[in-house]
Amino acid sequence: DTAVSQTPKYLVTQMGNDKSIKCEQNLGHDTMYWYKQDSKKFLKIMFSYNNKELIINETVPNRFSPKSPDKAHLNLHINSLELGDSAVYFCASSPDGGTEAFFGQGTRLTVV
Amino acid sequence: QQQVKQSPQSLIVQKGGISIINCAYENTAFDYFPWYQQFPGKGPALLIAIRPDVSEKKEGRFTISFNKSAKQFSLHIMDSQPGDSATYFCAASIGGGNAGKSTFGDGTTLTVKP
Repeated sequence: DTAVSQTPKYLVTQMGNDKSIKCEQNLGHDTMYWYKQDSKKFLKIMFSYNNKELIINETVPNRFSPKSPDKAHLNLHINSLELGDSAVYFCASSPDGGTEAFFGQGTRLTVV
Repeated sequence: QQQVKQSPQSLIVQKGGISIINCAYENTAFDYFPWYQQFPGKGPALLIAIRPDVSEKKEGRFTISFNKSAKQFSLHIMDSQPGDSATYFCAASIGGGNAGKSTFGDGTTLTVKP
């Protein structure tokens, strides 16, 4: 049973397209996140949601829009994809005030 | 401004040796310092963590050393094994945890040669 699952695992798309990445966690956590890991493996938080409400938005272009239909799901929509958006995107979750973030396996996005 | 600086960027160690990864932080409000381990194709996973009220924490072959006055902490892997080959991230957060507000170091790629 996967605790934090995201789909798809790989995504190849052309510049200018719009795409979505889905994330679901079955841990009962209240807080979910999206992280971006670039080609140098630098890991940066993009968004944080607590119980469906946006908590953190780290200087991310507004082409990126997270959507949380319920506290178990946090999807990431990306409009007008650019080459620089190519990266691995990780979904994660943690309990409220929790000390550990549980990461999904990542979605490798390649924009061509 | 990078709040958590990690070194080295890459590390090669012989099997059985000691691997040491260092991190330095700037914000004295940080009060929780986890280390994450990431294998290729996987997400990071918590390895070990420490709070600033202790100077050392050990779990099996993994030890965190913490120097509050120097604002530095390090991960020591004793008896390093090829299976330890991974990328290691230090992190720091405020508020007794708040995992999602962790600031990550840039990562260290560890290779343990057999």
